[in-house]
Amino acid sequence: EAGVVQSPRYKIIEKKQPVAFWCNPISGHNTLYWYLQNLGQGPELLIRYENEEAVDDSQLPKDRFSAERLKGVDSTLKIQPAELGDSAVYLCASSLDFRDRFTDTQYFGPGTRLTVL
Amino acid sequence: DAKTTQPTSMDCAEGRAANLPCNHSTISGNEYVYWYRQIHSQGPQYIIHGLKNNETNEMASLIITEDRKSSTLILPHATLRDTAVYYCTGLNTGNQFYFGTGTSLTVIP
Repeated sequence: EAGVVQSPRYKIIEKKQPVAFWCNPISGHNTLYWYLQNLGQGPELLIRYENEEAVDDSQLPKDRFSAERLKGVDSTLKIQPAELGDSAVYLCASSLDFRDRFTDTQYFGPGTRLTVL
Repeated sequence: DAKTTQPTSMDCAEGRAANLPCNHSTISGNEYVYWYRQIHSQGPQYIIHGLKNNETNEMASLIITEDRKSSTLILPHATLRDTAVYYCTGLNTGNQFYFGTGTSLTVIP
């Protein structure tokens, strides 16, 4: 069974440029997460989708970050414009159903490493 | 807010058991404890989870204290491929998984 797929794996851009990350979750997983991971830190949640609905975006910097999950499957995370401080790894994860959150295991993709120059 | 506390780093000799502790004193009664690990340049990998009873799978064992305020992940025979950062996680009051900074485990040949 394929795991969570993310692309690109690496992205280098100049500040003020836009950038987008793509995620394909495990088939049948209703819940999709985007996390930010800074160097030496654990992942921090940016947004959680249940099917196509964003049910927790409290940590998403909405002035420059946006996300969508069309048809409740693939998702894209966009930054426009990117700032130097956005350099980090962006992780996508999926799980069967967050409504069973106490036992709902998340499976992570390999992440996209963003470098903003 | 639920938080976990782990040692920053640990070493373990290859072939020996690695015991990784985690304090989660603010955990709620129905909240599971999850363990993940992250090998360099990869996403976190699920290891095991538990509520109150000890759990074992093909990767590891999880020992949770009776008061549920702490747990220990046991890798019974550590190999060099077990070198990674290990995260003990749980849900905070905002229903978000809290990963913390984890324990960097180095398995020494």
